[in-house]
Amino acid sequence: DTGVSQNPRHKITKRGQNVTFRCDPISEHNRLYWYRQTLGQGPEFLTYFQNEAQLEKSRLLSDRFSAERPKGSFSTLEIQRTEQGDSAMYLCASSLESALNTEAFFGQGTRLTVV
Amino acid sequence: AQSVTQLDSQVPVFEEAPVELRCNYSSSVSVYLFWYVQYPNQGLQLLLKYLSGSTLVKGINGFEAEFNKSQTSFHLRKPSVHISDTAEYFCAVTDFGNEKLTFGTGTRLTIIP
Repeated sequence: DTGVSQNPRHKITKRGQNVTFRCDPISEHNRLYWYRQTLGQGPEFLTYFQNEAQLEKSRLLSDRFSAERPKGSFSTLEIQRTEQGDSAMYLCASSLESALNTEAFFGQGTRLTVV
Repeated sequence: AQSVTQLDSQVPVFEEAPVELRCNYSSSVSVYLFWYVQYPNQGLQLLLKYLSGSTLVKGINGFEAEFNKSQTSFHLRKPSVHISDTAEYFCAVTDFGNEKLTFGTGTRLTIIP
C-alpha cells in the first residue's frame, strides 16, 4: 500500500457533461475526506465519510455533487451537469480515527478542467 | 467558526538564508495545527503538527514551528533553505473532535540561487 490513490489524475470535460472521480484510501483508514482546491487558494472541505457513512457535507457541495463510499473502502465523487466554475483540483485524504487526532494523508488529486 | 490567515502570499528567499512563514488562526475552542507542503501538481504532504505538549514542534526537511496561544499563531521556520524547498505551504487548523481541516490560502516560497 503506497498511499492514497486518485484516478484519473486529469480530466477535461465539456460543460454539461457528468464526471466521476475515484479515491482509494490507505487500506486500514476508516475516514475519507474530499476537498476542492481552486487556483491560488487553499483546499476547501467538501465532505467526509467514516466507514460507509457520510457524516458531514459542506455547503459547497451543491445538489449536482454526490459522493459515495460503498462498503467503506474506495469512494467516488460525481459531478453532474458540470459548469466552468467546477474547474479545480479535487483532493482526497484518509485518516485513521483514534483517541488523538492523527494525520490526514492526501492523494495527488484529480485536476478537472471544464471547457 | 475557524479561520486561518497566511498574510504572505509569496516569500522569496536566497538559498541558505533563514525563512519564516506566518500563520494566524482564530477559533473559539482548542485546536490542532498543521503545516502542509504542496509541490507543483501534487497533493499535500504533512510537514509537522501541533496536538499538545511542547509548543516547539519539529518536522521533516528541517522545518519547525512554534505554537503561541496568546498570539494565536503557528509560524513555520527553517534556519537555512534549499532550492528543493520551493513549493506552496499551507497552514491548517482543526478543533478537537472535528477532523476536517480549515486551510489558509497558502504561501508560495521561492528560493533564489
